[in-house]
Amino acid sequence: NAGVTQTPKFRVLKTGQSMTLLCAQDMNHEYMYWYRQDPGMGLRLIHYSVGEGTTAKGEVPDGYNVSRLKKQNFLLGLESAAPSQTSVYFCASSYLGLAGGPQETQYFGPGTRLLVL
Amino acid sequence: AQSVAQPEDQVNVAEGNPLTVKCTYSVSGNPYLFWYVQYPNRGLQFLLKYITGDNLVKGSYGFEAEFNKSQTSFHLKKPSALVSDSALYFCAVRAWPGSGAGSYQLTFGKGTKLSVIP
Repeated sequence: NAGVTQTPKFRVLKTGQSMTLLCAQDMNHEYMYWYRQDPGMGLRLIHYSVGEGTTAKGEVPDGYNVSRLKKQNFLLGLESAAPSQTSVYFCASSYLGLAGGPQETQYFGPGTRLLVL
Repeated sequence: AQSVAQPEDQVNVAEGNPLTVKCTYSVSGNPYLFWYVQYPNRGLQFLLKYITGDNLVKGSYGFEAEFNKSQTSFHLKKPSALVSDSALYFCAVRAWPGSGAGSYQLTFGKGTKLSVIP
């Protein structure tokens, strides 16, 4: 049981390049999330998904796209990378709770460090 | 809108002394409150949560947190700090009951760096 995994661990991009970050979870969680972490700003939600085939915008969605074609995978895409997207990206997942919403605890991956030059 | 404030960027404490990491929150409705810990170059790990019930919540690694509704606070505490507790600590909140998927979002504080000095 690997939990939440992220690939790659580190990447350097030039401005304007594109890339996809992959998040995979083997816990059969319905909910998945992408966050970015910047110094002094905590974690900010980029996009999230409440189930296979569905995605929604979070707090800072501009410049990013996501897809959830399979329940266990949640992809984060940067179509044209900008230096402002230099950050550490975390994926998280959570169960479907009894009340129909996400179970309270989120489980995090180890992160992807992205540097955009 | 919901928000979390962690008023201290850094907390220093001597090993063996009690520690407190402060958190206050603002949310419409009742709060779900969480503490997560992040060790260097690692993802966030769940420590404890308050959903309902007893205001004193016990979590992993000997940590506990006290929910105070009147002061809208959820401070993290440990009776005796260890050097291995040195890490970045995040408080998070979301409201319940939610209305719509967007209301299930967790809002994190900016984090408090805890340094335990041998």
